[in-house]
Amino acid sequence: QKEVEQDPGPLSVPEGAIVSLNCTYSNSAFQYFMWYRQYSRKGPELLMYTYSSGNKEDGRFTAQVDKSSKYISLFIRDSQPSDSATYLCAKGTNFGNEKLTFGTGTRLTIIP
Amino acid sequence: DSGVTQTPKHLITATGQRVTLRCSPRSGDLSVYWYQQSLDQGLQFLIHYYNGEERAKGNILERFSAQQFPDLHSELNLSSLELGDSALYFCASSVAAGTTEAFFGQGTRLTVV
Repeated sequence: QKEVEQDPGPLSVPEGAIVSLNCTYSNSAFQYFMWYRQYSRKGPELLMYTYSSGNKEDGRFTAQVDKSSKYISLFIRDSQPSDSATYLCAKGTNFGNEKLTFGTGTRLTIIP
Repeated sequence: DSGVTQTPKHLITATGQRVTLRCSPRSGDLSVYWYQQSLDQGLQFLIHYYNGEERAKGNILERFSAQQFPDLHSELNLSSLELGDSALYFCASSVAAGTTEAFFGQGTRLTVV
């Protein structure tokens, strides 16, 4: 079983819709959860990170973590065509020798 | 622009050859991470350096090696290249040894022919 599982999609939604992207993880020995956005042929770009269970909001983006069920989600409100990209969830710890463990990414297309 | 610079952007080389990929971290960042992204494996952690010292290794092949220099730039050396080494290689940097807010470069696309 992979440490971080993510539905690869692809996922297509109409412009303006709410998008829900999800990941599950299997190892509890970590503290940080991140969401990265990657446009085609570009480097991953950090969208949000969070330390704890609950919601964290940043503009149209909300990251949600449920540590009891080991579930992480990213919600995008009022989706725009410019949101079309691959979204990667990742987990990390902070014990000094960390590495990010990524999900495989979900390819999202927002249809105008 | 993340502030992390990787060179070259593209590299085409033959099997059996050796190449060096270079990464300059963001100003002030002491940690450098190398990742490999291929279509079938996704983004895989290779190795982490902090202030010149190797801190963690992931799924890095013995044919691959890396180092971080006193000016904090890093190089990833890939030798005896095989067709399967064709991938995007990303460098990321962060201020501390932990991976909160790691910023990625634009990657080096390596094609082995």
